[in-house]
Amino acid sequence: NAGVTQTPKFQVLKTGQSMTLQCAQDMNHNSMYWYRQDPGMGLRLIYYSASEGTTDKGEVPNGYNVSRLNKREFSLRLESAAPSQTSVYFCASSEAWDFTDTQYFGPGTRLTVL
Amino acid sequence: AQKITQTQPGMFVQEKEAVTLDCTYDTSDPSYGLFWYKQPSSGEMIFLIYQGSYDQQNATEGRYSLNFQKARKSANLVISASQLGDSAMYFCASRETSGSRLTFGEGTQLTVNP
Repeated sequence: NAGVTQTPKFQVLKTGQSMTLQCAQDMNHNSMYWYRQDPGMGLRLIYYSASEGTTDKGEVPNGYNVSRLNKREFSLRLESAAPSQTSVYFCASSEAWDFTDTQYFGPGTRLTVL
Repeated sequence: AQKITQTQPGMFVQEKEAVTLDCTYDTSDPSYGLFWYKQPSSGEMIFLIYQGSYDQQNATEGRYSLNFQKARKSANLVISASQLGDSAMYFCASRETSGSRLTFGEGTQLTVNP
């Protein structure tokens, strides 16, 4: 039982390049999330998927797109990377979309945009 | 909008002693969840403990307990018998019924000294 996995662990991009961050969970959770963590700050929600087939914007969605590929997988795409997107990206999942449900996090992807 | 405040940027504790990490929250929603996460230097986010707004008893999980004072809107984490491995950043977070995201505080860096 791996929990939430993310690939890659590290990535360096040049401004304007695109990339997709992959996330998968094996806990049969319905809801999945993408957060970013900047130095000295807590995590901020980028996008979420309350259930398979749905996606919605979070607090900081500009410059990102997401795809809920199936119940297990939720990807985050940067179409044209900018230095302001240098951050650590975390994927998370929870059993349901409810305030009592714990969100479990992946190990994170450290992204640098030059 | 919900807001989490962690007023202690850094805390120090001697091994085997107890330590309290402060967290206050601001929400107008009568139903909400409060969470604590640990982030060691390796970077992953580890769920520690959950408290629901309607829970009568303070939550406990092993050496972790949550001192929940609803009237004061505080949800302090108490770690008993500190261990060297407890050295990490600790985040308090909340989630409302109306929202999808966890709202995080800025964190407290805990250092356990031998």
